[in-house]
Amino acid sequence: GAVVSQHPSRVICKSGTSVKIECRSLDFQATTMFWYRQFPKQSLMLMATSNEGSKATYEQGVEKDKFLINHASLTLSTLTVTSAHPEDSSFYICSARASGRRYEQFFGPGTRLTVL
Amino acid sequence: AQKITQTQPGMFVQEKEAVTLDCTYDTSDQSYGLFWYKQPSSGEMIFLIYQGSYDEQNATEGRYSLNFQKARKSANLVISASQLGDSAMYFCAMREGRHTNAGKSTFGDGTTLTVKP
Repeated sequence: GAVVSQHPSRVICKSGTSVKIECRSLDFQATTMFWYRQFPKQSLMLMATSNEGSKATYEQGVEKDKFLINHASLTLSTLTVTSAHPEDSSFYICSARASGRRYEQFFGPGTRLTVL
Repeated sequence: AQKITQTQPGMFVQEKEAVTLDCTYDTSDQSYGLFWYKQPSSGEMIFLIYQGSYDEQNATEGRYSLNFQKARKSANLVISASQLGDSAMYFCAMREGRHTNAGKSTFGDGTTLTVKP
């Protein structure tokens, strides 16, 4: 149980276009979802925290108008990279926490974004 | 502010031997949780083990054990009987706060473990 999926797993887009990444909790309700960004061989950097039905809380330095997060339901959160540029190329990972699960945080498989 | 330090960028271990991955943390909070994750080359983060700040016993999960030394603020991961499939990047993480929806996880820079046959 406790599976988190991400779609797409890999995406290549042209500079200036927008890309949407979906994160779904498949068999549990995710009251809180997290979006991370990871550069090669580096740590995970938290971008934002989203709670179902409310606005996401962004970390310092993360542009909320560029990285739009929507947590519309207890099983789905989306990250939209707007007007993507090559420097946005990265590995994006979502994570979900279930209500009632004391400490566990479940990660999606990640989405590799390449902006040409 | 919370901080996680992993001082070993890379580690090598012979197959079937034990290895310890170091992790130290800094927090002013009395209630926190410590985690270890494995990230193979596929990129997926795999939860390995958890230690709560109030847990008196060191956590164990199969071949993984966490050597929790609260006074030293260290939470080292011990992998016994290493296997080739253990080769991956390992992250130590901490989350402050007692409640499940409180706090966000802070990750260390990671340690790349290579198991040699």
